[in-house]
Order: sequence, then C-alpha cells, then structure tokens
Amino acid sequence: KQEVTQIPAALSVPEGENLVLNCSFTDSAIYNLQWFRQDPGKGLTSLLLIQSSQREQTSGRLNASLDKSSGRSTLYIAASQPGDSATYLCAVRPSNTGNQFYFGTGTSLTVIP
Amino acid sequence: GAGVSQTPSNKVTEKGKYVELRCDPISGHTALYWYRQSLGQGPEFLIYFQGTGAADDSGLPNDRFFAVRPEGSVSTLKIQRTERGDSAVYLCASSFWRDTEAFFGQGTRLTVV
Repeated sequence: KQEVTQIPAALSVPEGENLVLNCSFTDSAIYNLQWFRQDPGKGLTSLLLIQSSQREQTSGRLNASLDKSSGRSTLYIAASQPGDSATYLCAVRPSNTGNQFYFGTGTSLTVIP
Repeated sequence: GAGVSQTPSNKVTEKGKYVELRCDPISGHTALYWYRQSLGQGPEFLIYFQGTGAADDSGLPNDRFFAVRPEGSVSTLKIQRTERGDSAVYLCASSFWRDTEAFFGQGTRLTVV
C-alpha cells in the first residue's frame, strides 16, 4: 500500500519568504501527483497536477517538482503572502490501480504579516 | 454548476439514524470519488465510481455504508445506523477520467450525537 508523508507538519514563516514543502511516497509506480490547498473548515482546492512523465509544473508563484524514482515531490512557494496560510496536501495516484488518491496528512502553513 | 457541489454542508444526526449525503459533480466528469476526513488527518478513500458503476468500494468501512450513482452524474452516500465514530467531513471529488485532475467539493460535516 502506498504511504505518503509530508514534512514538516507545520511551518510558520514571515511574509515575503520563499518556502518549500516536501512530500514523499513509498511506491514510485504512480500515474500522477496532485497538490491541494485546504482552508480551515473547507474542501480541497487543486493547485497543481504533475503527470508521472513530467518533472515539474508551475502556476503563478507555485512550482511543483516530481522525482518519481526517489519518491519525492516538492511544492515551492515564492514570495509568500498571508493569504497563502492554509494546509497543503499532496496526493498520489498509483498506476497499478489508479482508482484512488493516497493523501499525506498535510503541512499547515502560517505566513505572518 | 462550475464546481463540485455537496449538500448538506452540515448534518447533525442522532446515533442510530440513517443519513444521505449528496454530491453533484462537474458536468461531463465520468469519475467520482468519496473520501472521509477526520480532524488533523488527510482524506481517506471510501469509494470510486466510473460512470454508473462502483469500480472500487474497497474503502467503505463496513456494510452500513453504501453509495449509488444511478445515472452517472449525481451520487448519494448512504449511512445506516450511524455511530459517533462516523463523525467526520465527507468529501466528494470528480475528474474527467480516472487519471486526470480531480476537483473536490466543500464537503459535508457529519456529526453524530
């Protein structure tokens, strides 16, 4: 069974800093990996989807990379803003079943004004 | 609608009662997922539909849980004889196909008292 780990569990940074969130997974046989944002009491908002054949994806101040062979993905947030405060979740979709995402427990980010 | 819609947003029920949770996916999306999220945890898979059929129900915790998607669009998650341990946020997601970007609804917060 795929295990997904996110480090750190919580992160607090001053506004304007660049930061990196980490996601690791145990089985490299994946279709894709998706990063989500979750605000308190809300659902998940899709940020970036990386297919297994891709190395990275960018959207605005966000850049996600994927190293499938080592079972790692990073989400880079440039010039952080207080509005970026949320929990960030990564989810992998295995290629042997493809029927579900396996989620990490998330990184809770606080950006201090 | 533009996104995945879940109703109700909140549901409080007494132990032993029956509840139904509704998910209206993005139009044209053939894949539909139900997940359950407990406080401080990542979402856990319950069931996946491809079209009208439940292609993978391996995440349903027991036979009190059942889900349908009779016309390949709206889905209903049904929980019989609710228990306090069923209290969680129930999330629904849809995607065009099983390995494309998934979009989540805002969730239904179920509280069993």
